Amino acid sequence: DVVMTQTPVSLPVSLGGQASISCRSSQSLVHSNGNTYLHWYLQKPGQSPQLLIYRVSNRFSGVPDRFSGSGSGTDFTLKISRVEPEDLGDYYCLQSTHFPPTFGSGTKLEIK
Amino acid sequence: EVQLVETGGGLVRPGSSLKLSCATSGFTFSNTWMNWVRQAPGKGLEWVALIKDKYSNYEANYAESVKGRFTISRDDSKSRVYLQMNTLRDQDTATYYCTKGGNWFAYWGQGTLVTVSS
Repeated sequence: DVVMTQTPVSLPVSLGGQASISCRSSQSLVHSNGNTYLHWYLQKPGQSPQLLIYRVSNRFSGVPDRFSGSGSGTDFTLKISRVEPEDLGDYYCLQSTHFPPTFGSGTKLEIK
Repeated sequence: EVQLVETGGGLVRPGSSLKLSCATSGFTFSNTWMNWVRQAPGKGLEWVALIKDKYSNYEANYAESVKGRFTISRDDSKSRVYLQMNTLRDQDTATYYCTKGGNWFAYWGQGTLVTVSS
């Protein structure tokens, strides 16, 4: 299985500040069709995960432009600018290029 | 509005069976791939099973950890997806989420908690 390594485990940020989360895969996530199936989720406390970014850099419907995704191959980053209280929670990356789909272990975004 | 509502969770003994159900609405279920993803208490997310649509002959795929014990199925006439769980183990204790989509899980239900304990 593809191992997804997320860092940091915990990320204290100031409201209004910027956060950056890294996700690295144990093998390239470029599919044979040329697409890269790396996605980002936020799980707020007590809630289900919600999709933020799909295929590296595409914001899902309703996701603020404060969230941005980038990267290629095995190295990916989620950036959150102007952090707001509603952004707090656990962030997960997911790869679905290779079977089975695998998640990163999560990054907890908390207030400094 | 897309809605996914899971039911069927509960407290069961090791070795027993349980069937989860996910009722859906707000999208064309019959041509949508559906998944189950689980989350053990205080832990991360683990993909469990996928069922494709009729155009893919309802092909099902499973995580190694549940293969041979769990069966995913669907009823397109009811817009429902199911997860039959047999020979349950302590380590199957988790919140089970029904999710919509093949390549990325765009929508999630609220989850149903399965606790396996003697």
